[in-house]
Order: sequence, then structure tokens, then C-alpha cells
Amino acid sequence: DTAVSQTPKYLVTQMGNDKSIKCEQNLGHDTMYWYKQDSKKFLKIMFSYNNKELIINETVPNRFSPKSPDKAHLNLHINSLELGDSAVYFCASSHFRGAGGNEKLFFGSGTQLSVL
Amino acid sequence: KNQVEQSPQSLIILEGKNCTLQCNYTVSPFSNLRWYKQDTGRGPVSLTIMTFSENTKSNGRYTATLDADTKQSSLHITASQLSDSASYICVVGGTGTASKLTFGTGTRLQVTL
Repeated sequence: DTAVSQTPKYLVTQMGNDKSIKCEQNLGHDTMYWYKQDSKKFLKIMFSYNNKELIINETVPNRFSPKSPDKAHLNLHINSLELGDSAVYFCASSHFRGAGGNEKLFFGSGTQLSVL
Repeated sequence: KNQVEQSPQSLIILEGKNCTLQCNYTVSPFSNLRWYKQDTGRGPVSLTIMTFSENTKSNGRYTATLDADTKQSSLHITASQLSDSASYICVVGGTGTASKLTFGTGTRLQVTL
């Protein structure tokens, strides 16, 4: 039973295409996230949703659009893909991180996106 | 600017040996410090989470320490095993309703025979 699952695992596409990555968690968490890990292995938050509501929206091109149909799902749609979008994208979830933010994050296994 | 720096960048040790990984941070205001293990091709997995008032926390052969005054943390791995080969990422959390995490770039540990 995978706690946080994301699909696809690998995504190879041409520049200019539109693609989506799906994420689902079965942990009953309120909050879900998208992180981007670059070639230097540096993880950076992109978006965070709490109960379908956007709570963190970092400086990310508006070609990236998250969608949360319910609190167990957070999908990431990317328009007009560029070479620089190549990275590993991780979905994660936690109980709501209120003041203090001590809740443990559970990560999916990542989606390796390669834009050619 | 909030930053988390880890050292060394990479480390090779023999199976059975101990090692210590370092983390220095400049995140303010500080809420918590976490250590994650990331196997190749997998997502990070939480090892420990420490708040301001905690200065040590263990998880099996992993022991994390925190000195909030000097803003330093270490992760000590005892009696290393081949399965410990992974990247170890130090992550610092700030305070606030939508508190953000600042990630270090990790220490790549390789345990060999």
C-alpha cells in the first residue's frame, strides 16, 4: 500500500508540449505539496494545498498549474514545457502544518521529467 | 536569506564504521530541524524531527543533535550498513501558518565492503 503515489514515474516529452503529473495520498492528510528537485538535488517547494485550498504558491511560472479535486489528490499540469523544466518532481503530504510546522512530510517516489 | 548548508558533500565509509554528517542553518525564525534519507530514485523519508527545545533524537542507529544557539545540527550513524548508502538531507522549518521548509542539498553517503 503506497502512502503517496504519483504517476508517471518517468516522463519524456518535447519542448512546447503540455503534460500532467498526478498524485494521490491514502494517509488521510489535509495538506499536499509539490516540490521540484533540480540536478544539484536541491528540493524547493512549488505549491501547497490544505483541504483543496492553495496556501503556498512560490515564484513558479504560471505555466505550472496545480489542481486539487479533493484533499487526497493534487495534480500538477505544466503548459508549454521548456528545457529548464527538466527535473524530478515530488509530491508530498502531511497533516496540516499550522504554527510550528512540526508535522512529518511523506513524499512520493518522484516523477523524472525530461524535456527534449 | 534562509539557508541550510551541509557537509561533507559526499562521504565514503566502510561497512560497520560510524560517521557524522553536519548541518548549519541560518533560518529565522526557527521552528524545527529534520533529517531525511533519500535513496536513489526514491522520495525522501523522515528520520528525525527536532524542535527548539530538543537537543538530541534517535531513530535506531541514527542520532541527530541540535544546538539552536550555534544553529548547528549533526546526524550520527552508528555501525553503518550497506543499506545506509543514500543522500541525507537536513531541512529546517520556520514558523507561521504556512510555514516553509528550507532544504539543504544533502550529503551523499556511500557505504562499501
